Amino acid sequence: DIVMTQSPDSLAVSLGERATINCKSSQSVLYSSNNQNYLAWYQQKSGQSPKLLIYSASTRQSGVPDRFSGGGSGTDFTLTISSLQAEDVAVYYCQQYFNSPTFGQGTKVEIK
Amino acid sequence: EVELVESGGGLVQPGGSLRLSCVASGFTFSNYWMYWVRQVPGKGLMYVSRINLNGKIAEYADSVKGRFTISRDNAKNTLYLQLSSLRVEDTAVYYCTRGGNGLTDYWGQGTLVTVSS
Repeated sequence: DIVMTQSPDSLAVSLGERATINCKSSQSVLYSSNNQNYLAWYQQKSGQSPKLLIYSASTRQSGVPDRFSGGGSGTDFTLTISSLQAEDVAVYYCQQYFNSPTFGQGTKVEIK
Repeated sequence: EVELVESGGGLVQPGGSLRLSCVASGFTFSNYWMYWVRQVPGKGLMYVSRINLNGKIAEYADSVKGRFTISRDNAKNTLYLQLSSLRVEDTAVYYCTRGGNGLTDYWGQGTLVTVSS
């Protein structure tokens, strides 16, 4: 299985400031035939089910605010919230879908 | 609007069985792979199983292989997960999710399975 490791486990950011979460995969999730990274990011608010934010490492799901952006390729990826809002408090997970899906351990984002 | 509604969770003793159901609406169910993902309360997410469009290909996480069985009824827009030989460590919220190329884009609200004596 591909192991996904996120850092940090938690972070506290002031409202309006930038939040950055890192995700590293134990092997590349870049599919060479289509040059797509099979990497997604999910947001899970307290008491809710996960919501897809970003797929293919950098494509925002329909309806996701543009303050959320994803980057990276191969084995190293980032999720950035450019200006943290109160409603962004949640746990964020990266997931690879290159083969049997695996998730990172999650990063809890709070307001400082 | 895509909707996935799970049911069938509950309290069961170790070694027992349970069948989870997930009714889908708002999309053409037979056009999508479907997945089950679980989450121990307060912990992370773990892929459990997935099934292809016609139900003939089923895959499982190693930890549930031989104990869980995924199936689907496209006429009823319903996904199932039969849980057998349950262990305490199977206690979790089980989510039904819609998939495509491994990407799970819509999730149900989940159903809680508690395995305890």
